[in-house]
Amino acid sequence: DAGVIQSPRHEVTEMGQEVTLRCKPISGHDYLFWYRQTMMRGLELLIYFNNNVPIDDSGMPEDRFSAKMPNASFSTLKIQPSEPRDSAVYFCASSLGHSKSSYEQYFGPGTRLTVT
Amino acid sequence: DAKTTQPNSMESNEEEPVHLPCNHSTISGTDYIHWYRQLPSQGPEYVIHGLTSNVNNRMASLAIAEDRKSSTLILHRATLRDAAVYYCILRNTGNQFYFGTGTSLTVIP
Repeated sequence: DAGVIQSPRHEVTEMGQEVTLRCKPISGHDYLFWYRQTMMRGLELLIYFNNNVPIDDSGMPEDRFSAKMPNASFSTLKIQPSEPRDSAVYFCASSLGHSKSSYEQYFGPGTRLTVT
Repeated sequence: DAKTTQPNSMESNEEEPVHLPCNHSTISGTDYIHWYRQLPSQGPEYVIHGLTSNVNNRMASLAIAEDRKSSTLILHRATLRDAAVYYCILRNTGNQFYFGTGTSLTVIP
């Protein structure tokens, strides 16, 4: 398996523009997570899905952020409009979520977002 | 959510054992203890996890205190490739993790 795939790997955009980050989880995994990492705040859980349904979005910072999972093999995290304080590395992770698994989360390589 | 406390940084000489401590005094009976590490410019990766008993795998060992209020990740022979930030995380009956600040491990050749 190729692991969790994220695109783009780097994104530079201007303030006010819409940004869409993409994630393909590992095939067969039923949980998908979006995280954000900054020097100031560390690694934060933004939202997670189970079987394509959002379960907990309490970590989403504000209404400018939205996430979707239209099917089991694809998810997006959108920021509209983007602001400089959104600059961070965004990670997607997936896992199997049943009692016989370790709930081990497999992380993608991340998308480094810079908003100027 | 239960919190964990780890030292900000630690150093180890190459090929020596490393003991990375973690305090989790508010742990509940159903919380699992997970350890992840993050190598430079990469996403976190799973290291080991446990509930009550000590655990061993090919990467490391996990020693859990009898009262479960603390745990220690043991790397038996540190290599330069083990230089990373190590996170101690408590997972409740749900499936979400809350990462703390972790311990930055420096391995000295």
